[in-house]
Amino acid sequence: QLQLQESGPGLVKSSETLSLTCTVSGDSISSSNYYWGWVRQPPGKGLEWIGSIYYSGTTYYNPSLKSRVAISVDTSKSQFSLKLNSVTAADTAVYYCARQPSTSGWFFWFDSWGQGTLVTVFS
Amino acid sequence: DIVMTQSPDSLAVSLGERATINCKSSQSVLYSSNNKNYLAWYQQKPGQPPKVLIYWASTRESGVPDRFSGSGSVTDFTLTISGLQAEDVAVYYCQQYYSTPITFGQGTRLEIK
Repeated sequence: QLQLQESGPGLVKSSETLSLTCTVSGDSISSSNYYWGWVRQPPGKGLEWIGSIYYSGTTYYNPSLKSRVAISVDTSKSQFSLKLNSVTAADTAVYYCARQPSTSGWFFWFDSWGQGTLVTVFS
Repeated sequence: DIVMTQSPDSLAVSLGERATINCKSSQSVLYSSNNKNYLAWYQQKPGQPPKVLIYWASTRESGVPDRFSGSGSVTDFTLTISGLQAEDVAVYYCQQYYSTPITFGQGTRLEIK
């Protein structure tokens, strides 16, 4: 059974870099059938897509965050990671990692999610 | 960006009755080459991640009760919950995956009347 688990600091100082890792178990992160994505949700608010990555390293980012975000994959560890730099209080959110079915080089809905991790930016 | 607008923002429905949630996209999410609508619906309960209910606008995810159904095409979509049960209290989101950035609706909060 597929499991995704986010890990990383729950507190990040303003202007510094938020770093999270998602560990995938129960399925191969190198499967050609999936992309792997990050979604965030500020407390009490809606969902925002951050970006997605294929096992080959191909990435797509939300333009609203593109200048600050980097997503990478380590297939040997079955992990993919998120880095968001120059954070502010507006980046305080629950961060989810999730799997996206994929065909023909495109990615679709999120069919499996981690439990999410709350990251709070403080000054 | 494709803007997804849901209506209403919240609704209260009696147990056993039908709940209808609408989602409108600012441009078509129908891909002409395969005639598929690139739209999904999610349910999110407090303290939990979202759970996909419907994809391709009308395909029910495995394990999702058949009281959940999706319909619509091009820019106008509907999630219908027939025979509302207490466990259906949640926030519901639509999402388009037609183009990047992937975008979600603002959410509709469903409560029991």
